[in-house]
Amino acid sequence: EAQVTQNPRYLITVTGKKLTVTCSQNMNHEYMSWYRQDPGLGLRQIYYSMNVEVTDKGDVPEGYKVSRKEKRNFPLILESPSPNQTSLYFCASSSRGGVYEQYFGPGTRLTVT
Amino acid sequence: DAKTTQPTSMDCAEGRAANLPCNHSTISGNEYVYWYRQIHSQGPQYIIHGLKNNETNEMASLIITEDRKSSTLILPHATLRDTAVYYCIVRGGYNTDKLIFGTGTRLQVFP
Repeated sequence: EAQVTQNPRYLITVTGKKLTVTCSQNMNHEYMSWYRQDPGLGLRQIYYSMNVEVTDKGDVPEGYKVSRKEKRNFPLILESPSPNQTSLYFCASSSRGGVYEQYFGPGTRLTVT
Repeated sequence: DAKTTQPTSMDCAEGRAANLPCNHSTISGNEYVYWYRQIHSQGPQYIIHGLKNNETNEMASLIITEDRKSSTLILPHATLRDTAVYYCIVRGGYNTDKLIFGTGTRLQVFP
């Protein structure tokens, strides 16, 4: 089954404790992306990756890091989480070079206290 | 990417057609219209997209006006499971993969 998976689905952590949210897709997609969703602000893009070893900032990259060492994986790293990063996070993937649909993961609800 | 305008909320009776409008008056020639929906707090789900012709798939139909300045997503027989926020997104054709989500239309399907 074609899918995007994220782990963990729920996470409560404390300020400053480094964490990683994993994202994996099984569709051989070149493009992957991270979004965060906050009430009243909608979904905003954090980082995206056009292909392996190619990443770039989205609209709200501050406080986040990403890496793309393999095509299928695109982890989101919070080196020193802060309460304003409490949010619902979505990973997405799609094929490149056309008008293809994007597939979204189920979301990770992160709470930073 | 062109800005889109959608009503904040709509209601629809179960079994009836749900017609969700979207205004994108500044759309340019190579920009497509996409529709996604988000059920509760799940990941957004692709519904349909089109450039200038009307499109239909197993989920919905997309009607784009001749001047391309507006479109309508049609769910022909709405069910309770279609209750969701529906996003109309205009996006360039080739090198812009980012989806810019607005606030969407909250569709409530009632029995």
